[in-house]
Amino acid sequence: QVTLTESGPALVKPTQTLTLTCTVSGFSLSTTDICVNWIRQPPGKALEWLARIDWDDDKYYSTSLKTRLTISKDTSKNQVVLIMTSMDPVDTATYYCARAAYHYDSSGYTGGGFDNWGQGTLVTVSS
Amino acid sequence: DIQMTQSPSTLSASVGDRVTITCRASQSFNNWLAWYQQKPGKAPKLLIYKATTLESGVPSRFSGSGSGTEFTLTISSLQPDDFATYYCQQYNSYSRTFGQGTKVEIK
Repeated sequence: QVTLTESGPALVKPTQTLTLTCTVSGFSLSTTDICVNWIRQPPGKALEWLARIDWDDDKYYSTSLKTRLTISKDTSKNQVVLIMTSMDPVDTATYYCARAAYHYDSSGYTGGGFDNWGQGTLVTVSS
Repeated sequence: DIQMTQSPSTLSASVGDRVTITCRASQSFNNWLAWYQQKPGKAPKLLIYKATTLESGVPSRFSGSGSGTEFTLTISSLQPDDFATYYCQQYNSYSRTFGQGTKVEIK
């Protein structure tokens, strides 16, 4: 059974740095064709993709936030960490981690949707 | 970045209705598109991937179609459990982008 669990502070002050951890089980972060993504959702608003890290440690970031984001993984601990600097009240949101996995079938290389999500963690930015 | 625009933003429908949600991309790509359902207070749930493939366990009343820059999610006969917000997402480029969402409400 695949599970992802986000953890981190519920409250951060403006200008502080946020560190979030996604702990996974039921799969390995080093398995080929698997990646873990971070997504956020401000209250009442749409989903926003933030970053992803692939099985081979390749990393990709949202164009608008890439100067503030760092993603990393510790395969031995089954954890993916997202660091976001210079937090602002507009960063108040529920932060999710989600797995994407590719595979081959009769149609060829496929998959890639975010098939397993954590429950999300609400981060409020306020002084 | 590829921008995704969904329409409509809100849709009012009745149980049994056929419902169609459209997602348009700012540039053409190779069908690396997913659809999600989200209910209040819950994480999104994957419905469709690679534009047309139904995720395991998702009811067959959900279907996806389209290619290039225009993609569609169809619910053939709306059920009470389907009232939710739906998002499209492209995963063609190195970055991923979501549409702004379509809320399906009870008429």
